Amino acid sequence: EDQVTQSPEALRLQEGESSSLNCSYTVSGLRGLFWYRQDPGKGPEFLFTLYSAGEEKEKERLKATLTKKESFLHITAPKPEDSATYLCAVPSTYNFNKFYFGSGTKLNVKP
Amino acid sequence: EAQVTQNPRYLITVTGKKLTVTCSQNMNHEYMSWYRQDPGLGLRQIYYSMNVEVTDKGDVPEGYKVSRKEKRNFPLILESPSPNQTSLYFCASSPQSNQPQHFGDGTRLSIL
Repeated sequence: EDQVTQSPEALRLQEGESSSLNCSYTVSGLRGLFWYRQDPGKGPEFLFTLYSAGEEKEKERLKATLTKKESFLHITAPKPEDSATYLCAVPSTYNFNKFYFGSGTKLNVKP
Repeated sequence: EAQVTQNPRYLITVTGKKLTVTCSQNMNHEYMSWYRQDPGLGLRQIYYSMNVEVTDKGDVPEGYKVSRKEKRNFPLILESPSPNQTSLYFCASSPQSNQPQHFGDGTRLSIL
């Protein structure tokens, strides 16, 4: 069964304290893993797409990496404005038009 | 400005009273989708549409209907809403299904 699991559920960091968020998935024949950022009261906003194991993408303080069974979102020297919920999503093994989202990691960066 | 627009943003209604949440995108995207977001469960896909007149069920379609008569619009219909459909709903679109989705700002539905 297709499944996406994110950990931790919540993460509190001090400004400047680097850490990583995890997204593990059970789909076969991965056709892309998507990372989104969601601010309170808003819809998710696209960050990265990763397609193959070993691939990395970077944007400012964020770097996403992908292995065969999981993806990491590394946050280097975070700032309070990085506080948000981070979601990952993958297409279904059996139907690439269906998507499964993880339940998200709520990141809080304290000044 | 490229956007996905949902209306209404908030709605409180009663069990059994039919309602429609509209969704419109101005990016000429072929793929559109509806999700509901509940605490601890994340985003779950309700229905999606590959193009005009082509729709299919997501993971949680029970109690919902959709239609795609025009490329830009993808309304979500609750024919007989029940309290378990109280949730935060998001509409999204993308050029094709395997590309990043653009999301609306959500519709918070409360069904009493």
